[in-house]
Amino acid sequence: EVLLVESGGGLVKPGGSLRLSCAASGFNFGVYPMTWVRQAPGRGLEWISSITWNSTYIHYAESVKGRFTISRDNAKNSLFLQMNGLRGDDTAVYFCARGSLTTVIRYYFDHWGQGDLVTVSS
Amino acid sequence: EVVVTQSPASLSVSPGERATLSCRASQSVNSNLAWYQQKAGQAPRLLIYGASTRATGVPARFSGSGSGREFTLTISSLQSEDIGIYYCQQYNNWPRTFGQGTRVEIK
Repeated sequence: EVLLVESGGGLVKPGGSLRLSCAASGFNFGVYPMTWVRQAPGRGLEWISSITWNSTYIHYAESVKGRFTISRDNAKNSLFLQMNGLRGDDTAVYFCARGSLTTVIRYYFDHWGQGDLVTVSS
Repeated sequence: EVVVTQSPASLSVSPGERATLSCRASQSVNSNLAWYQQKAGQAPRLLIYGASTRATGVPARFSGSGSGREFTLTISSLQSEDIGIYYCQQYNNWPRTFGQGTRVEIK
């Protein structure tokens, strides 16, 4: 069974930093692209970053570019999101999602974690 | 950026009736479009990919159609467990973009 479990969320002050982790199990993590998607309270889904299996191709939404960094450790079956310069509008549930093995460039999100809440407030 | 627009914003359908959800992209995304279902308090779940292929375990009452800019998700006979918010998402271009969602309710 594919399992994705996020951790590291919590309450942080504006301007602060947080590092989210996503522990993967039940599949060969090292060959799949991975993604972070967030959902602000009562709002829709927002894609924020994706990384290919070997970290060669990384993409960010404009809203987080320069502040967030996605990375992975295939040996530890883990995905990370380093978030710096946090702002109130970064408050959201953050989901990690597995990308499909369709093409290197175009893939949908076939499994999702349950999400982790990040609250940015003074 | 490809803007993805869903309609209607909400839909109320009687049990057993058909529900039709629409998704429009601001430019062609070929068939690189997925549909997700999100129930209250849960993570999204993949329903459809490639515009029309059902994901593993998805009931046959869910079907997707379309290509290019116009897409449709049809629930042929709405069940009570189908209530939730449905999102379409294009994966043809960066940044990946989602529609704002369609809320499906039971009448």
